[in-house]
Amino acid sequence: KAGVTQTPRYLIKTRGQQVTLSCSPISGHRSVSWYQQTPGQGLQFLFEYFSETQRNKGNFPGRFSGRQFSNSRSEMNVSTLELGDSALYLCASATFSGGARNEQFFGPGTRLTVL
Amino acid sequence: AQSVTQLDSHVSVSEGTPVLLRCNYSSSYSPSLFWYVQHPNKGLQLLLKYTSAATLVKGINGFEAEFKKSETSFHLTKPSAHMSDAAEYFCVVSDPGSTLTFGKGTMLLVSP
Repeated sequence: KAGVTQTPRYLIKTRGQQVTLSCSPISGHRSVSWYQQTPGQGLQFLFEYFSETQRNKGNFPGRFSGRQFSNSRSEMNVSTLELGDSALYLCASATFSGGARNEQFFGPGTRLTVL
Repeated sequence: AQSVTQLDSHVSVSEGTPVLLRCNYSSSYSPSLFWYVQHPNKGLQLLLKYTSAATLVKGINGFEAEFKKSETSFHLTKPSAHMSDAAEYFCVVSDPGSTLTFGKGTMLLVSP
C-alpha cells in the first residue's frame, strides 16, 4: 500500500505570494491532518479534515486554510506569505474506528521557503 | 488541556550503550501516548503507542516505553544504541477525540 504523498517536496516563494500544498492520504484513510514544523515552535497542529469537513483547527491565522476532496485528498493554502511561514509542512492520514482516530501516518513533508 | 514536556533537547550516547529519552505529560483524561522518530529530511515514523492496555509498550527497532501514571511519564528506552538510531524523537500526547500535541523533540546523537 502506498504511503502518504505530498507535493511538491520543495517550494520557494516570495513575501506576499500565496501557495497551495497537496496531500494524498493512504488509500482508505479519510482523516487528513496538517502540521507546521519550525525550529523555533516545533510541530504545531494546523487543521484536520474528515469526509470533506474540517474537524479540528489549530491556532493559526486565517491566512492558513485547507480543504478536502471527495477522494480524501487534501490541500492547504497559505495566502499573503510571510517570512515566518518558512517551515516544513507535514500531512498525516488516519482511519477512524469506534469514533476514535487511529494512529496517524505521516508524509515526507513539503519544505516551504519564503524569501 | 493536554501538554507534553521532553526533558532533554539533546542526548548523546555511544554505540552499544543504553538509550533513555525522557517525556512527561499532562492530561485531564486517559490519554494516548506516542513516540515518533524523524530522520533528517524525512517524515515522522511511529515507534510505539500506548492506548491504556499494557503499561510497558514495545515498539519497532528494539525501542520500548513504560507508561507511569503516578509519575505522568512515558520515557523511551533501548538497551543498545545503533548508529542508525541517530535522529530526532518526539513524544506525543492525545486526549480522547482530540488532536496530537507534540513535544519539542530530543535529538539523539550516537557516536562510534
